[in-house]
Amino acid sequence: GAVVSQHPSWVICKSGTSVKIECRSLDFQATTMFWYRQFPKQSLMLMATSNEGSKATYEQGVEKDKFLINHASLTLSTLTVTSAHPEDSSFYICSARERGTAYNQPQHFGDGTRLSIL
Amino acid sequence: GQQVMQIPQYQHVQEGEDFTTYCNSSTTLSNIQWYKQRPGGHPVFLIQLVKSGEVKKQKRLTFQFGEAKKNSSLHITATQTTDVGTYFCAGPLTGGYNKLIFGAGTRLAVHP
Repeated sequence: GAVVSQHPSWVICKSGTSVKIECRSLDFQATTMFWYRQFPKQSLMLMATSNEGSKATYEQGVEKDKFLINHASLTLSTLTVTSAHPEDSSFYICSARERGTAYNQPQHFGDGTRLSIL
Repeated sequence: GQQVMQIPQYQHVQEGEDFTTYCNSSTTLSNIQWYKQRPGGHPVFLIQLVKSGEVKKQKRLTFQFGEAKKNSSLHITATQTTDVGTYFCAGPLTGGYNKLIFGAGTRLAVHP
């Protein structure tokens, strides 16, 4: 149980393109999902918290107009990297916590999306 | 701001040797979680420790939470090549009850 699906797993596109990444909880509902960014050989950096039915909350230094988050349902959150540039190339990972579980319960991670901007 | 530090960054071991990674938080944590990320993969939850001084075992892995709930360790006995990956500790962000702050991770390489 507790599977999180992330799509696509790999994207290569030209500079200036907008890219949408989907994060789905397959067998549970998630009122909260998290979006992380990971550079090679580095740790996970939290970008934003996606809340179902309300606006996402962004971490300091993350541009909300650059990284658009939509949490349209209890099983789907999307991250859109708008007008992507080479410096946006990274590994983006989402995670979700099962609805109704305590805040200190573990997060379930998606497989990640490797984004390469040429 | 709140920090979670992890050492070492990288460790090479010969198969069969033991391995330990240490995690230290700048603040007291209500709990600490450990994740493993295989090369090219995503983090997978290993365990959560909640109580002061708690020790938990999973086969060859031993997890410990310090008495002050500010540090933790993961010890692997007799490493195998399947143990290869990066081990992250993570704790809840103070005031951000839903959020986790991750350590930098320890990358383990095991040579057969």
